[in-house]
Amino acid sequence: GENVEQHPSTLSVQEGDSAVIKCTYSDSASNYFPWYKQELGKRPQLIIDIRSNVGEKKDQRIAVTLNKTAKHFSLHITETQPEDSAVYFCAASFTGNQFYFGTGTSLTVIP
Amino acid sequence: DVKVTQSSRYLVKRTGEKVFLECVQDMDHENMFWYRQDPGLGLRLIYFSYDVKMKEKGDIPEGYSVSREKKERFSLILESASTNQTSMYLCASSRGQGTQYFGPGTRLTVL
Repeated sequence: GENVEQHPSTLSVQEGDSAVIKCTYSDSASNYFPWYKQELGKRPQLIIDIRSNVGEKKDQRIAVTLNKTAKHFSLHITETQPEDSAVYFCAASFTGNQFYFGTGTSLTVIP
Repeated sequence: DVKVTQSSRYLVKRTGEKVFLECVQDMDHENMFWYRQDPGLGLRLIYFSYDVKMKEKGDIPEGYSVSREKKERFSLILESASTNQTSMYLCASSRGQGTQYFGPGTRLTVL
């Protein structure tokens, strides 16, 4: 089956700096890559996603890039704010019936 | 607004008890999922269902079973709870290969 690796496991940045989280996947058939944000004590929520026919997608301060050849995708957060502090999960899916999640990155934005 | 609810936020059970966790979604989604979330391990899929009475094993189905008698409801059953099943359990639903919407989670403690 699919194997998704996520790095780093923890990340601390100064407010206003950028944060980058990287994920690699093993199954070249995977074609849908969502990113979820989970604030402390809350449920994971989708923040951005990308499909394999697109190389980059942006939504305000958040962007995701996908390199199908290298089988990796990354989340970029610019101009970080304290409310960006959370655990971020990447995932990969082929059919939509099964999602494989990374182990999560705990992001702390220091004011 | 999609709503996924879970029957309990916190649950304490004793070893050997039969435990039922229920999940209900109100968006007519065909896909429903049960994950467990443990620190450092991310979200691991226990079972998923893509239609009423249909179920597929995920990565860690041992010790669990599921039931989906109605489209909106997906139940996770621990036949004989054990201490290593102490965890956060998250339910999710989706349509096709779309966004997964998560419930608030049930924190289960098995003594």
